[in-house]
Amino acid sequence: GQNIDQPTEMTATEGAIVQINCTYQTSGFNGLFWYQQHAGEAPTFLSYNVLDGLEEKGRFSSFLSRSKGYSYLLLKELQMKDSASYLCADHSGNTPLVFGKGTRLSVIA
Amino acid sequence: KAGVTQTPRYLIKTRGQQVTLSCSPISGHRSVSWYQQTPGQGLQFLFEYFSETQRNKGNFPGRFSGRQFSNSRSEMNVSTLELGDSALYLCASSGLAGGSGELFFGEGSRLTVL
Repeated sequence: GQNIDQPTEMTATEGAIVQINCTYQTSGFNGLFWYQQHAGEAPTFLSYNVLDGLEEKGRFSSFLSRSKGYSYLLLKELQMKDSASYLCADHSGNTPLVFGKGTRLSVIA
Repeated sequence: KAGVTQTPRYLIKTRGQQVTLSCSPISGHRSVSWYQQTPGQGLQFLFEYFSETQRNKGNFPGRFSGRQFSNSRSEMNVSTLELGDSALYLCASSGLAGGSGELFFGEGSRLTVL
């Protein structure tokens, strides 16, 4: 589970919907985590997907396709407080999480 | 319950010095992982400890070391500091080992090497 790829930066408008994509290698794959990190703060857990499909949690949803090695985080009704970095992390085998470099999302008025 | 506590929060060192960072996990968590976070590389895994044993180690030089005590508190040490060691060092605890469980992160120790 190495080589996690996600966009470096994204900008979206308040009230809109944004999708943050993440691709990973599928070898030994167990599941895919998403974390949110505000500037100067610790990362906090958002979701963990093991099975294919979409999991909805309020304004945030996370999707996984195991066969394609692909996940996305969907944020609806964007708020200014959603401006943060979003990190996807690959859980494979019995090894520690491998994080992507993060996507810095800027929400503008 | 109290979260993950890291000390010190900020520190400044000069090249060649050594530094020790401390992490107290959430009560009951026996797994502690350390990550280095830099703007260019993101979060990079340093090591993981579970019940005082190092389970995994990342691709960092031997100057980086760590240990875990019987109360699950962990320390990491960096010797002979280099400018490139300037980073945010994050500690995370989990109730499960090997990435199986959700990681709970501390606020981090921000190290600046001059």
